[in-house]
Amino acid sequence: KAGVTQTPRYLIKTRGQQVTLSCSPISGHRSVSWYQQTPGQGLQFLFEYFSETQRNKGNFPGRFSGRQFSNSRSEMNVSTLELGDSALYLCASSVGTGNEKLFFGSGTQLSVL
Amino acid sequence: DAKTTQPPSMDCAEGRAANLPCNHSTISGNEYVYWYRQIHSQGPQYIIHGLKNNETNEMASLIITEDRKSSTLILPHATLRDTAVYYCIVRVAINAGGTSYGKLTFGQGTILTVHP
Repeated sequence: KAGVTQTPRYLIKTRGQQVTLSCSPISGHRSVSWYQQTPGQGLQFLFEYFSETQRNKGNFPGRFSGRQFSNSRSEMNVSTLELGDSALYLCASSVGTGNEKLFFGSGTQLSVL
Repeated sequence: DAKTTQPPSMDCAEGRAANLPCNHSTISGNEYVYWYRQIHSQGPQYIIHGLKNNETNEMASLIITEDRKSSTLILPHATLRDTAVYYCIVRVAINAGGTSYGKLTFGQGTILTVHP
């Protein structure tokens, strides 16, 4: 069974631009969650989508948004990029209906110059 | 979710058991203890979880104290590839109407270094 796939693996953008990251969950998984990891703040929850609906959202500004498609694939978008948005963005998938484990992708390393 | 406390770093000799402690003194009755690890430049990897009984799988064992206020993750024969940051996470298991199962609250974890 294929794992969680995130694209692209690396991305370089400049301040003010916007970026879209993609996540393909494990087949059959309906929940996709996004996390931001920085050296200073560690791993922080951004939001979770389940069956195309946002189920929970972390404490991030509105510049961070996401969506989920009918095939459970998910995208997250960051608009008006700031230097502080440089981070590893991780996506995790799970069945989404109970006490289960999350499967993480390898992440997208975003650098904002 | 209850807060957890872990030592910032630990060392272990290759081939020996690595015992990683976690304190979760405010854990609620419906909260599970989860362990994940993150090897450099990769996403976190699930290791094991439990409620109150000791658990074992092919990767590790989880020992939870009777009062559930602390737990220990045991890697029975550590290898160099077990060098990673280990996260102990407490999260609710039962859907209480809108609970997000995709949300994990990560602390700083324990950096485990396995030496030859």
